Amino acid sequence: AQSVTQPDIHITVSEGASLELRCNYSYGATPYLFWYVQSPGQGLQLLLKYFSGDTLVQGIKGFEAEFKRSQSSFNLRKPSVHWSDAAEYFCAVGVKAGTALIFGKGTTLSVSS
Amino acid sequence: SAVISQKPSRDICQRGTSLTIQCQVDSQVTMMFWYRQQPGQSLTLIATANQGSEATYESGFVIDKFPISRPNLTFSTLTVSNMSPEDSSIYLCSVTGTNTGELFFGEGSRLTVL
Repeated sequence: AQSVTQPDIHITVSEGASLELRCNYSYGATPYLFWYVQSPGQGLQLLLKYFSGDTLVQGIKGFEAEFKRSQSSFNLRKPSVHWSDAAEYFCAVGVKAGTALIFGKGTTLSVSS
Repeated sequence: SAVISQKPSRDICQRGTSLTIQCQVDSQVTMMFWYRQQPGQSLTLIATANQGSEATYESGFVIDKFPISRPNLTFSTLTVSNMSPEDSSIYLCSVTGTNTGELFFGEGSRLTVL
């Protein structure tokens, strides 16, 4: 069965600094990979997705992620963090379109001034 | 994308009672998914609801506790039965995108059981 690991429970980054959130997955084939963000009291918003093609994907709000098959990873990056990026970030994996996603435990991002 | 509306958005319930959460989608979808997000936790899949068939439950979730209805292609309900404080969670309805696999989520229903 597929699984998702987000090794970092909580990360604090200074405003303007770069960010990388880690995500590792376990699945025999190439999965569908996603990053979602959940702001306090808000629903889940899709940041970006990967299912084929270019392994570097661009998303909303200046985020990008890179799929690395050899490392079973799909890390999320942003070159310059804004205070409004403080939120909970979830990595998720699916085996094919139309199926439920498995979510990682999430990483809480705090942004310091 | 799909627009998903959930009702209620939040509720405070007494132990031993039941509550039904409604999920309305603005387009016809084959599969709908119900997730639970316990306080400070990630999302856990409760069940998959297909129109015209019984819902499929994940390990640890049973129909008697979480009965689901799926009367048509745009609507579903999840009932949380005989609630206890451990059922205090956000319950989320979701549907899939076209052929790229992403899920769209409602705003969630935040239940507090006293």
